[in-house]
Amino acid sequence: AQKITQTQPGMFVQEKEAVTLDCTYDTSDQSYGLFWYKQPSSGEMIFLIYQGSYDEQNATEGRYSLNFQKARKSANLVISASQLGDSAMYFCAMRGPSGNTPLVFGKGTRLSVIA
Amino acid sequence: DSGVTQTPKHLITATGQRVTLRCSPRSGDLSVYWYQQSLDQGLQFLIQYYNGEERAKGNILERFSAQQFPDLHSELNLSSLELGDSALYFCASSSDRLLYGYTFGSGTRLTVV
Repeated sequence: AQKITQTQPGMFVQEKEAVTLDCTYDTSDQSYGLFWYKQPSSGEMIFLIYQGSYDEQNATEGRYSLNFQKARKSANLVISASQLGDSAMYFCAMRGPSGNTPLVFGKGTRLSVIA
Repeated sequence: DSGVTQTPKHLITATGQRVTLRCSPRSGDLSVYWYQQSLDQGLQFLIQYYNGEERAKGNILERFSAQQFPDLHSELNLSSLELGDSALYFCASSSDRLLYGYTFGSGTRLTVV
């Protein structure tokens, strides 16, 4: 079974600063995908970034980067130059190689960006 | 617009009633997933359909059922509703590329009173 752990229920960051949201995972699969989603107060789920288990480079998408440490089973999200619009819930998720394994989510981290 | 359409966006109903939530997946996606998000909780997987067939089942109550039709749209039926069923229900779709994530709809917010 796959499991995602996000240990930070809430975090504050100053505008323009960088912030790291922690995510650890557990799986027995060799092939898997790791994802981060953003959920603003409006409720929709917005895909941010993806990292494959065999990808040697850390994924980056604009101000988002994923610090992937496979041996430690961690997939932390780094947001650079935080903006007020980054205030939201952030969910880490993973998916196994089989079409029968659904995306499994952590409990999320609520990020608040302070002006 | 993510390409996944969920209707209705909001639903208020009384305990004991039955409701149907509808989802149209992104064009080309064969898989549809239903998730429940209760207040301040993560997303709990309910059920997955692939090209009309049930493929995986999660923590779905017996009072809940789903199906996927030949045109690939899906419906989630919730019956004998209880106060605790109040939640945000998401539909998501994905392609056959197994390591890709999902595209989520905007959700249906169900309030049971």
